[in-house]
Amino acid sequence: AQTVTQSQPEMSVQEAETVTLSCTYDTSESDYYLFWYKQPPSRQMILVIRQEAYKQQNATENRFSVNFQKAAKSFSLKISDSQLGDAAMYFCAYRSPRSGGSNYKLTFGKGTLLTVNP
Amino acid sequence: NAGVTQTPKFQVLKTGQSMTLQCAQDMNHNSMYWYRQDPGMGLRLIYYSASEGTTDKGEVPNGYNVSRLNKREFSLRLESAAPSQTSVYFCASSARVGSGGPKEETQYFGPGTRLLVL
Repeated sequence: AQTVTQSQPEMSVQEAETVTLSCTYDTSESDYYLFWYKQPPSRQMILVIRQEAYKQQNATENRFSVNFQKAAKSFSLKISDSQLGDAAMYFCAYRSPRSGGSNYKLTFGKGTLLTVNP
Repeated sequence: NAGVTQTPKFQVLKTGQSMTLQCAQDMNHNSMYWYRQDPGMGLRLIYYSASEGTTDKGEVPNGYNVSRLNKREFSLRLESAAPSQTSVYFCASSARVGSGGPKEETQYFGPGTRLLVL
């Protein structure tokens, strides 16, 4: 079974600075999908960025980028020029590309609470 | 385009009462999901519907039933609520499942329903 580990329960960053959130996962599959979701105090789950494992190029979305290290099974999220609105819980998630049974689910880490200080 | 909507936003039940959580999406997605989120944990899949007319159990289905009413709507029913079902419930949808590529496999979430069972 796949597992996702976020080793940092809480992180803080100064406004305008850069912060990196860590995520590691365990899988025996060679291809899969990885996601970062943001959950602000409103509780809405918002997609931040996604990556397909067979693509070596790291995904980027504006100020958000990932460092995907497939051999190390690591998928960290870098937030550049942090803004107050980035304060939220961030979840790393894994999804198998295969269909059927429990493959349909996203496997989530326990989350990292990011605080942005003005 | 409202995305994924859920009703109600908040509900208090007494042990043994029943209720139905409603979910609808307007993105013409084939697949829909119900997750629950408990404190200190990521989301866990309760039930999913890969396509209209089909439903299957996720990892924590006990105490719940679902109905995929049509392509847009996917409801979750608690027949006899228990305090252990106190949680935040999220509905999600995706274009498809099973080797669809990262964009098609991406799950988009509703705002959540907070349920308290006394």
